[in-house]
Amino acid sequence: GAGVSQTPSNKVTEKGKYVELRCDPISGHTALYWYRQSLGQGPEFLIYFQGTGAADDSGLPNDRFFAVRPEGSVSTLKIQRTERGDSAVYLCASSLTVGGSSYEQYFGPGTRLTVT
Amino acid sequence: GQNIDQPTEMTATEGAIVQINCTYQTSGFNGLFWYQQHAGEAPTFLSYNVLDGLEEKGRFSSFLSRSKGYSYLLLKELQMKDSASYLCAVRDLTSGTYKYIFGTGTRLKVLA
Repeated sequence: GAGVSQTPSNKVTEKGKYVELRCDPISGHTALYWYRQSLGQGPEFLIYFQGTGAADDSGLPNDRFFAVRPEGSVSTLKIQRTERGDSAVYLCASSLTVGGSSYEQYFGPGTRLTVT
Repeated sequence: GQNIDQPTEMTATEGAIVQINCTYQTSGFNGLFWYQQHAGEAPTFLSYNVLDGLEEKGRFSSFLSRSKGYSYLLLKELQMKDSASYLCAVRDLTSGTYKYIFGTGTRLKVLA
């Protein structure tokens, strides 16, 4: 079946602009995670959703970052007034649920964001 | 706080065995995961340990000691395609929610 998809695969934007990154999880997966990965680093947790609600947004670096998942499926990560330090690969992952035995996260291919 | 340590880089020879160590500190431990990530690609799941002991899956095995805050990933019969980064991640319940904390990854180079 289809895996996690993310669009766009690459995004180049100018400092100060607004960007939206989209994630399509595996059908039926209730948990959805956003991560940010810089070169040579592991994925850094940003936010996760259980269904439509943000269960934990403690990883969002500041109020320029916001994410939604209005119907419990597709999610959008929104970044306002982008800064050069926001440049990274943004990864989305989904899992059947959280905790217990449904532990495996399936990652999308990521969106490479470059802020010039 | 939460902290995960793993070596930055390792080199091994094709056909050999390599062990990648990971130590962690967290008050809300709820499972340890290993992921493989090839350059420019997304991480893919390798293994999961929540109880002490060894989990074996083909050429890959993962070990956990919760009392020591320690895990390792063992790769046997190394192949060139095993050259990748190996990420250790802890699922943490400290904040009351299921958060995954990743280490920086160990870049493994397999030489012919």
